[in-house]
Amino acid sequence: GENVEQHPSTLSVQEGDSAVIKCTYSDSASNYFPWYKQELGKRPQLIIDIRSNVGEKKDQRIAVTLNKTAKHFSLHITETQPEDSAVYFCCPRPTGRRALTFGSGTRLQVQP
Amino acid sequence: GAVVSQHPSWVICKSGTSVKIECRSLDFQATTMFWYRQFPKQSLMLMATSNEGSKATYEQGVEKDKFLINHASLTLSTLTVTSAHPEDSSFYICSARDTSGRNQETQYFGPGTRLLVL
Repeated sequence: GENVEQHPSTLSVQEGDSAVIKCTYSDSASNYFPWYKQELGKRPQLIIDIRSNVGEKKDQRIAVTLNKTAKHFSLHITETQPEDSAVYFCCPRPTGRRALTFGSGTRLQVQP
Repeated sequence: GAVVSQHPSWVICKSGTSVKIECRSLDFQATTMFWYRQFPKQSLMLMATSNEGSKATYEQGVEKDKFLINHASLTLSTLTVTSAHPEDSSFYICSARDTSGRNQETQYFGPGTRLLVL
């Protein structure tokens, strides 16, 4: 099965700074790479995703970069705000697998 | 985007009783739904894949006789925790993909059901 590792496990930044979370996966057949945000007690929400034929995708303050050769992808959040505080999960999905496998999560704390 | 609902949002029960959790896709049909479990401060762990009209597929280590799954229609899957014990207390979240919609890769999640077994 897919082995997924996220780093760091916790991240504290000052408001306005950038945050980067890295996800490493093992299955070279992975072709779909989403990031989910989960606030305390709430459901995970998709914030950005990328497919294997694209190296980078950006949506306002959020971006995802993919390195298929090295089997890792990263979440970049610029100009962080207190409402970005949450747990972020990477969920790479191999071809042929229907469900997402969640990484261990990164707790982001944005200090005002 | 597609909407997934769950009911109930929380439940408290006595040890030994059974609890049923419903998951519905509100504006799309889902031949497949997924059930996850999340313990405090941990990640989501896939328990099983629910298949409309056929048997569910369980992940390794998940007891199929304890966690009964029924997917009787294209918009409803149910998870029954049988003979619940305190160690079954957790946050149960269902999920589905709208494979006929515009964003076929996206997995949408229900709001979760918090189960507390006394």
